[in-house]
Amino acid sequence: DIQMTQSPSTLSASVGDRVTITCRASQTISSWLAWYQQKPGKAPKLLIYQASSLQAGVPSRFSGSGSGTEFTLTISSLQPDDFATYYCQQYNSYSPLTFGGGTKVEI
Amino acid sequence: QVQLVQSGPEVKKPGASVRVSCKVYGYTLTDLSMHWLRQAPGKGLEWMGSLNAEDTETIYAQKFQGRVTMTEDTSTDTAYMELSTLRSDDTAFYFCATGPMGYFDHWGQGSLVTVSS
Repeated sequence: DIQMTQSPSTLSASVGDRVTITCRASQTISSWLAWYQQKPGKAPKLLIYQASSLQAGVPSRFSGSGSGTEFTLTISSLQPDDFATYYCQQYNSYSPLTFGGGTKVEI
Repeated sequence: QVQLVQSGPEVKKPGASVRVSCKVYGYTLTDLSMHWLRQAPGKGLEWMGSLNAEDTETIYAQKFQGRVTMTEDTSTDTAYMELSTLRSDDTAFYFCATGPMGYFDHWGQGSLVTVSS
C-alpha cells in the first residue's frame, strides 16, 4: 500500500492567514494526487486534482503543488468558510487508493 | 450535473449483512465508474473498492475481499454495496462517489451503518 502522511494533523489559524498543508507519499506517485475539504456531517468536496489543477467552482485562493512524493495545499488568505478538515488522496495505484490522515484547520 | 442519492441509516447486529444503495441522477450509471468509501465516526477516509464503467469489473481493497460485493442495476441507475459478516468496527458512514481517474468529484450524502448488539 502507498502510505500518505499529512502534516500537521491540526492547524490553528486566523482569517486572512496563509495556510500550508503538506502531504508525503511513501513512494512516488507522479502527480496523481487530489485534495479534499470536509466539513462536519458532510461528504468531502474535491478541491484539487492532478496535484495542481483547481476543480471547477473552487475559489482561486486554493492551490496545490508538488510531484513525486511531496505535495502541498495552500490557502492564500483563509476565509471563515475554510475552517474544515482537509485530506490528500493518491490515485497512482488502486492497490488500494489511499488517503492521508487529515488536517483539521481551526481557529 | 451528477447527483448521487444514498439510502438511509441502518442498524445491524454483528454477523449480519447490510446493503447500501446509491441512485444516480443527471447521468447514466453505465457511463460512470462507481466507488465506495467509508469513514468511521471521527476518523479518516477509507476506499473500499470500485466498479469500472467500461467493463463492469470490480476491484476491491484487499481489506474487504470476501466480505464486500458491489453491483449495479442499470435499469434504475442504482449502484449497491453489500458488506457481510458485520463487526462493531464496521460502524461508519458509507459513501458512494464517482470520478474520472481514481479521484472523486461527485459524492453521495453518506449512509450511516451502525453495528451493535
